[in-house]
Amino acid sequence: KQEVTQIPAALSVPEGENLVLNCSFTDSAIYNLQWFRQDPGKGLTSLLLIQSSQREQTSGRLNASLDKSSGRSTLYIAASQPGDSATYLCAVGNNNDMRFGAGTRLTVKP
Amino acid sequence: EAGVAQSPRYKIIEKRQSVAFWCNPISGHATLYWYQQILGQGPKLLIQFQNNGVVDDSQLPKDRFSAERLKGVDSTLKIQPAKLEDSAVYLCASSFSVRGGTEAFFGQGTRLTVV
Repeated sequence: KQEVTQIPAALSVPEGENLVLNCSFTDSAIYNLQWFRQDPGKGLTSLLLIQSSQREQTSGRLNASLDKSSGRSTLYIAASQPGDSATYLCAVGNNNDMRFGAGTRLTVKP
Repeated sequence: EAGVAQSPRYKIIEKRQSVAFWCNPISGHATLYWYQQILGQGPKLLIQFQNNGVVDDSQLPKDRFSAERLKGVDSTLKIQPAKLEDSAVYLCASSFSVRGGTEAFFGQGTRLTVV
């Protein structure tokens, strides 16, 4: 059974800092890994999707990497802004489902 | 392109009552998921449909929860009778393919409070 862990559970940084969020998973036989953003009281917004054959994906200030052999993914946020404050969730796609971590709650202070 | 639509956005019911949630996925998406997200936790898969067939419902509490996807499009999730621990946000998502490899899109969710 796939287990997904996200560290840290919460992170507070000053505006402008570069930061890294971590996601680890126990079963390396994955189809893809997806990073989501969730604002309070809202649904999930897809940020990046990395296929199992890929090593990284980039979108604007976001860069996500995937290392299947070690069961890890990182989400790098460059030059953080207060608007980046949200909970970030990673989801691992296996054969038939997506398993989520508990998320990292990010606060970017002005 | 329209996103995943869910209704209602909020629902408050008393324990032992019944409740139903509705989801309309993105047009053309074969796969539909229902997730339960308890405050402070990541979403937990309840049931996954491919078109109108169930792919995975291993984590669905079948004594009280039921779901259907008529004609392989809209879906409803029902709870009867509700318990206090069912208070959560219920999220619907859809993706183009039944297998992993395609992006999943989520609705805004239905926040259920059982009192």
